[in-house]
Amino acid sequence: DIQMTQSPSSLSASVGDRVTITCRASQIITNYLNWYQQKPGKAPKLLIYAASSFQSGVPSRFSGSGSGTDFTLTISSLQPEDFATYYCQQSYRSPLTFGGGTKVEIK
Amino acid sequence: QVQLQESGPGLVKPSETLSLTCTVSGGSISSYYWSWIRQPPGKGLEWIGYIYYRGSTNYNPSLKSRVTILLDTSKNQFSLKLSSVAAADTAVYYCAREKLNAFDIWGQGTKVTVSS
Repeated sequence: DIQMTQSPSSLSASVGDRVTITCRASQIITNYLNWYQQKPGKAPKLLIYAASSFQSGVPSRFSGSGSGTDFTLTISSLQPEDFATYYCQQSYRSPLTFGGGTKVEIK
Repeated sequence: QVQLQESGPGLVKPSETLSLTCTVSGGSISSYYWSWIRQPPGKGLEWIGYIYYRGSTNYNPSLKSRVTILLDTSKNQFSLKLSSVAAADTAVYYCAREKLNAFDIWGQGTKVTVSS
């Protein structure tokens, strides 16, 4: 299985901060990397697919980059509604696997 | 606007079979891949498996011996059966649509507890 490792596992940030979350795959996955946001008690929501493509309706402050094994999700200016847990997921090879999550908390 | 809704028992006894259904509304099930994903309490996400609209399936090897996913195009539904459940199968179960190699639409999730 392809292991997905996210860092950090949690972070504290203030409204307006620039936030960066990283995801590393245990083998090359080209750009088959997706990012999701999950709020407590809710289903995950797709933010970014194919490493850097925006899902419809997602605010432009979210962006994704990377290819191969190393990927980044950036929130350019953190908003109150962005406090949540973020997951990366690889769709390069079955079984599809997720990172362990990064919880973004209010400082 | 395509929507997904999970349904099924919230409590299953150990060693029995968990059965859930996902109803697709606002669009046809006769396209795309349709997945089940679960999330144990306080933990991360685990992909269980998918069914393609033409009927082929692919399961996570960690669960493959216990999982069956079926499609009912007449009802616009797909279903999950997980046999021989144990406490470790307690989780929120989500159904989701896979489009362009990403899960773009999710159901709200249904909590299943395995307990006697």
